[in-house]
Amino acid sequence: ETGVTQSPTHLIKTRGQQVTLRCSSQSGHNTVSWYQQALGQGPQFIFQYYREEENGRGNFPPRFSGLQFPNYSSELNVNALELDDSALYLCASSFDSSSYNEQFFGPGTRLTVL
Amino acid sequence: ILNVEQSPQSLHVQEGDSTNFTCSFPSSNFYALHWYRWETAKSPEALFVMTLNGDEKKKGRISATLNTKEGYSYLYIKGSQPEDSATYLCASSGGADGLTFGKGTHLIIQP
Repeated sequence: ETGVTQSPTHLIKTRGQQVTLRCSSQSGHNTVSWYQQALGQGPQFIFQYYREEENGRGNFPPRFSGLQFPNYSSELNVNALELDDSALYLCASSFDSSSYNEQFFGPGTRLTVL
Repeated sequence: ILNVEQSPQSLHVQEGDSTNFTCSFPSSNFYALHWYRWETAKSPEALFVMTLNGDEKKKGRISATLNTKEGYSYLYIKGSQPEDSATYLCASSGGADGLTFGKGTHLIIQP
């Protein structure tokens, strides 16, 4: 396993609620990326944090927001949940923000929105 | 926006046989091509990161090639074993836009 952990493993929310997902990076990594994998699709890039600053963002609305803490752990927050937000959310840490570095993935959080 | 395609979508292979599958990606604004293996109930595991045209990488029975000019990469598995059963994802990196993944090739090795 990669040493990247995510919590919770799965959760169920209702439309309109807010959710916070957490990720603990591998030791020595200062960059974390978040991805959403909907059923039947590949993971889609949400955003990346490098040294506590957002460093890039995919095509996701502002109700998807994040934080990276001084210990490089990270949170993904989603406000005003919609049914289409039901997906597996993956975080991945890397040594730095270079595109050439391997990303080490956690096992994911399965979010179901009812 | 990068568009990464993988084929086939799924593949059944007899144990001991060799197999390969394809990843195609836009060749413009290319930085790196990543291959991951994702076993059920586990985290995706990095196999290779490839950057140079003509690059070939190998890890045990698994190898990959890269053609950045025409925008494709092949993953080869020699002498398939049951533990090779997994989804194989490729992803192209275009800089600060994170990784753009294909939908994966789901490989099943039949004893």
